[in-house]
Amino acid sequence: QSVLAQPPSVSEAPRQRVTISCSGSSSNIGNNAVTWYQQLPGKAPKLLLYYDDLLPSGVSDRFSGSKSGTSASLGITTLQSEDEAVYYCAAWDDSLNGVVFGGGTNLAVL
Amino acid sequence: QLQLQESGPGLVKPSETLSLTCTVSGGSISNNSYYWGWIRQPPGKGLEWIGTIFYSENTYYNPSLKTRVTISGDTSKNQFFLNLNSVTAADTAVYYCARHAVISMIRGVSNWFDTWGQGTLVTVSS
Repeated sequence: QSVLAQPPSVSEAPRQRVTISCSGSSSNIGNNAVTWYQQLPGKAPKLLLYYDDLLPSGVSDRFSGSKSGTSASLGITTLQSEDEAVYYCAAWDDSLNGVVFGGGTNLAVL
Repeated sequence: QLQLQESGPGLVKPSETLSLTCTVSGGSISNNSYYWGWIRQPPGKGLEWIGTIFYSENTYYNPSLKTRVTISGDTSKNQFFLNLNSVTAADTAVYYCARHAVISMIRGVSNWFDTWGQGTLVTVSS
């Protein structure tokens, strides 16, 4: 069982918006920044957002991040078929003194 | 352009030691702005952080693996290494190496893996 909790799957129609949640505790999300990764089928994960809501160079601004208390969210607007992937949240955990990941959310664009 | 490449045996016998190398090109592991990490992913499952090394010296390990893991580096070869001993079938996974940014701020720690290797599948089986 992952330290950070994510819904196993979400689905939405093309051109719509979807939100993926990530729930943690005061030792991780509540006290440290959240990072999001996108993993396309058969590929290595790719950095999607860091510092809760910052986009790395080259990442579409259809992706956004937010955080409140011990929970974070990833938003994706104007969904496209190419967004079908597994999305992971991650954060530093002060109690474990290391990185914790969410279990991943499989996004289907129907 | 920074690139990382994992290498090592694809098959390891139970109770033996899994050893992997990550070769870094287009950047230096001596760069004291970055850490270097290992992450694994069992087939069909999620990501698990294994550990991270800074400047080939300071290391941080996942507590669940700490008794079996050693991460080290060789700055002359621009490589860092993963050793995981006493492996079982549960250690079968795709193993990734990645550049790891870890920033300590007044309001907490921010960390991210910004460049990943392609991953290498290691199967533990007799």
